[in-house]
Amino acid sequence: GESVGLHLPTLSVQEGDNSIINCAYSNSASDYFIWYKQESGKGPQFIIDIRSNMDKRQGQRVTVLLNKTVKHLSLQIAATQPGDSAVYFCAENIRTGGSYIPTFGRGTSLIVHP
Amino acid sequence: KAGVTQTPRYLIKTRGQQVTLSCSPISGHRSVSWYQQTPGQGLQFLFEYFSETQRNKGNFPGRFSGRQFSNSRSEMNVSTLELGDSALYLCASSSDPGTGKDGQYFGPGTRLTVT
Repeated sequence: GESVGLHLPTLSVQEGDNSIINCAYSNSASDYFIWYKQESGKGPQFIIDIRSNMDKRQGQRVTVLLNKTVKHLSLQIAATQPGDSAVYFCAENIRTGGSYIPTFGRGTSLIVHP
Repeated sequence: KAGVTQTPRYLIKTRGQQVTLSCSPISGHRSVSWYQQTPGQGLQFLFEYFSETQRNKGNFPGRFSGRQFSNSRSEMNVSTLELGDSALYLCASSSDPGTGKDGQYFGPGTRLTVT
């Protein structure tokens, strides 16, 4: 499959554990944040998003927390499964020209052991 | 509904050459964005097209260009290739980029190797 990055931070968890992946963003003007999942050989896949007027948003087995004071974003995955093994990216977005310009984090490799 | 398709999937070029990559969005999607992914720089935004107009552009040199056709298909071109242009080039489509990215879907990418 395609290599998405070398020397990525790695999080190893056991199946059934909860996982927390962290991301620091840089631009205080960013107003829209997204988490993506990228499996080997595939393009990124949208997981969940959050806008700057919120500090928490929940999806199916995933929760995103946003702390604008310290410019920090986290993704919590409940009851992690082997199929969750992938590289996870955060993206901060600034609204420009009727759309959003993203800046991506480097990614974290999540490894789930059965 | 078919997903985003990119052609070719793999490409090898020589320094100084130029290359054109193609992206066919999901039917009905009018926005196409292009990204470059490398081990060193990670994932970076190249540009976005919506209804045949470039709406936004990332911080890349003018050697990187793109266009979108009336059927929403998009091409990106890199001229005077450099070794550092070796990367996975990803295309993503959505119906309306202004409301959010939850409806954005990525293709599998084109792996470009410059020798």
